[in-house]
Amino acid sequence: EDKVVQSPLSLVVHEGDTVTLNCSYEVTNFRSLLWYKQEKKAPTFLFMLTSSGIEKKSGRLSSILDKKELSSILNITATQTGDSAIYLCAVRLSGTYKYIFGTGTRLKVLA
Amino acid sequence: SQTIHQWPATLVQPVGSPLSLECTVEGTSNPNLYWYRQAAGRGLQLLFYSVGIGQISSEVPQNLSASRPQDRQFILSSKKLLLSDSGFYLCAWTLQVGTGNEQYFGPGTRLTVT
Repeated sequence: EDKVVQSPLSLVVHEGDTVTLNCSYEVTNFRSLLWYKQEKKAPTFLFMLTSSGIEKKSGRLSSILDKKELSSILNITATQTGDSAIYLCAVRLSGTYKYIFGTGTRLKVLA
Repeated sequence: SQTIHQWPATLVQPVGSPLSLECTVEGTSNPNLYWYRQAAGRGLQLLFYSVGIGQISSEVPQNLSASRPQDRQFILSSKKLLLSDSGFYLCAWTLQVGTGNEQYFGPGTRLTVT
């Protein structure tokens, strides 16, 4: 069975800290891995990683795909209270149009 | 630019009542469309997806159904709601062709079954 596992389930940090969120996957045919940020409503797209694009960066956020270890990390440096959210990882399967989501990591950044 | 709409934003329905949630996409043609449910602020459970008009793939057997009567319209329905149908329902779209895999979400419908 295809699955995506995220860790930790929740995390509390203080402003200015650096956090690393983990996503590991066991799927039959990997095509791409996506990261989303979800505050109170719909998830918003952050990054997509593929075999040809294993590292992405945007401001204080960055993400790396490790195809050998079947995992990805999302780094957030100099965290701010506005980073408080659920971070979701999803894997797009090759040969289908399906996406498998992890359970998410709930991040809380304290002022 | 593309926009995805969902309505209603919130809904409170009694057990045994019918359900109809609608999703429409603007600014693109022939998208793949998806329905997800999210319980208790956690991960997303894929319910249905569609690659074209009238083409529906079901991922979870249950009392829900989906239809795609038009290219950019996706509807989630139920004849009789259960308490366990409560949750946050999200519609999403992706491009069907090309290398883009990004999936974009609508604002969601929060359903409470009482």
